[in-house]
This record gives sequence, C-alpha cells and structure tokens, in this order.
Amino acid sequence: GESVGLHLPTLSVQEGDNSIINCAYSNSASDYFIWYKQESGKGPQFIIDIRSNMDKRQGQRVTVLLNKTVKHLSLQIAATQPGDSAVYFCAEKVEVLTGGGNKLTFGTGTQLKVEL
Amino acid sequence: DAGITQSPRHKVTETGTPVTLRCHQTENHRYMYWYRQDPGHGLRLIHYSYGVKDTDKGEVSDGYSVSRSKTEDFLLTLESATSSQTSVYFCAIAGGAGPLVTDTQYFGPGTRLTVL
Repeated sequence: GESVGLHLPTLSVQEGDNSIINCAYSNSASDYFIWYKQESGKGPQFIIDIRSNMDKRQGQRVTVLLNKTVKHLSLQIAATQPGDSAVYFCAEKVEVLTGGGNKLTFGTGTQLKVEL
Repeated sequence: DAGITQSPRHKVTETGTPVTLRCHQTENHRYMYWYRQDPGHGLRLIHYSYGVKDTDKGEVSDGYSVSRSKTEDFLLTLESATSSQTSVYFCAIAGGAGPLVTDTQYFGPGTRLTVL
C-alpha cells in the first residue's frame, strides 16, 4: 500500500474482483480523510470521505475503512470495472488554515489496473 | 468537475516570462486553493483563499502570487517563470452550504504548464 508522500505502487486486478487500496497516514490528530480518483489527464475526483469518529463508511460500490490504532485507511472497490482504472490517493486533514479552510496532505497514490 | 473551470488547459512558455492561470467556479464556494502536482509528490498547496481579497501562502508559495477580486475567480501568477515551475496546476474549491461541507475539496481539470 501507499504511505502519504511515497512512490506510486500498482495494483492489478481482474474485472469483477474486489480491489483494496491502502494508505498509511502520519498524523494521529487528523480527523478527516478523503479518497480521490484521478484518471490520466484529469483532475482528482472525490470518491468518499470519512471522519475520525467512524470506522467504516459505504458508498456506491466503495467502502472506506479507518483504523486509527495503526493509522491506516483503506478503500475497497467492489466488482471492479475497467472504468475504475485510475490512480487513487488518500488525503488527510492536517490543520485548519487561517480563515477556516483546511490544509490537506495528499498521498502520491496507487495505480489501479483492471484486466479484462 | 463540480462547476470548476481552469484556463488555459495547456501552456508552453519561456523562462522569465510572466504567466497567469485562472480558476473559475460557479458553485459560490468560499474557499479556493491552488496546488501543483509533480511526479513523486502528492499535491502540494501553493496558495489559498478564504474570501474575496483574503489569501494566504501554502507550503510551496515562493515564485507565485494570487489574487481573488471576485468570489468566482482565483488567479495564480508566476511573475517570472522558471523551469522548476513546470508542473500540472490544479485549483480546488470548498465550503458550500452547511458546516460539514467545508472540509471536502473539489478539483478542477488542471492546467499543464511547461516552462522552457
């Protein structure tokens, strides 16, 4: 899996299988996490988020799991499709900026390749 | 892309020339951010804005300035472009209606800038 700031690993899965993408975060005080999907040549697309008062959150075909004990985040994609091929990266909210906006720290991502 | 446009989408310029990138949103979001994305790095914050004429520096602000004269527009200027500023630049917005929406950042399609 990835750790915020490290190189880009690749995950290859067969179409129809489930995918699990991992992320290790560094700040134990972080209270908000986001998963993004980025296709080649496009901007990051919001997938799902989770707050630190939750362990699990489900969306459409995606589930995010948060393990605060080991500072680990995972994204599960059910029944992976060719359209899921992209780079996935996590982001953690590390501080509140002047004026109330948020500073996010982003991982470099995991390349998901879906094989037919 | 959540009602966010960036212009230009691609630009090639020469070292020493000024460059301005534009981010335009139709969502009336309060917060706007400029990031750069480089291989081997996660997205890094350049500058952000928390309101009209309210801006502050991010972690990689040297060589960049910003302006926000209207809610919908956030401009990023490279006063004198250098080759190290060759990158893909993304704008993000946050802060829709309701307090919980503030945390989620939505990204534009990006501008690929090459400085020769």
